[in-house]
Amino acid sequence: AQSVTQLGSHVSVSEGALVLLRCNYSSSVPPYLFWYVQYPNQGLQLLLKYTTGATLVKGINGFEAEFKKSETSFHLTKPSAHMSDAAEYFCAVSRTNAGKSTFGDGTTLTVKP
Amino acid sequence: GAVVSQHPSWVICKSGTSVKIECRSLDFQATTMFWYRQFPKQSLMLMATSNEGSKATYEQGVEKDKFLINHASLTLSTLTVTSAHPEDSSFYICSALEPGGPAYFGPGTRLLVL
Repeated sequence: AQSVTQLGSHVSVSEGALVLLRCNYSSSVPPYLFWYVQYPNQGLQLLLKYTTGATLVKGINGFEAEFKKSETSFHLTKPSAHMSDAAEYFCAVSRTNAGKSTFGDGTTLTVKP
Repeated sequence: GAVVSQHPSWVICKSGTSVKIECRSLDFQATTMFWYRQFPKQSLMLMATSNEGSKATYEQGVEKDKFLINHASLTLSTLTVTSAHPEDSSFYICSALEPGGPAYFGPGTRLLVL
């Protein structure tokens, strides 16, 4: 079985500040981990993913995440928030490089001017 | 990245009618597609896995006779909500698995049953 816990359903940062969205997972097999962004009334867009290899993964829009096996974490960060980053963010875990994923409950990111 | 489309993007129907939602992979062939459901302010819940040329695999608690899935070609999967009721109102999102991964998500279809 696998599960995802996103700590903090709402995160608010000021424009230009560091963004940190937390994700912890549990998986009985080596996981594939994903971060998605969802804008209002839209589908999901893949930000980045970890499959194997380098544990620091860089994605689109300046986001990156680090896979820490010892902490079972895959936190998402961005050095400097932009107003356009305001959205819903979902962390997901899968047993394979795609598809049947288990999603966290999501974190709403608000960016204040 | 690859493009997945859904049609329609919005649908309003009367209770008791059936609604068909299409999911298409526009620039790749997808032997596997997934259907998710998202209630307001909630996360995505996997409903079923759709495999081209075979029966869909439904997650526990999902009524297969109510949510009919047909994956007739490598670029198209359809979800039909039969005898829709207001509690079926939701955001339905599909994803299509590109060979070798990952899966790309469609833009979603918002269903409102009156």
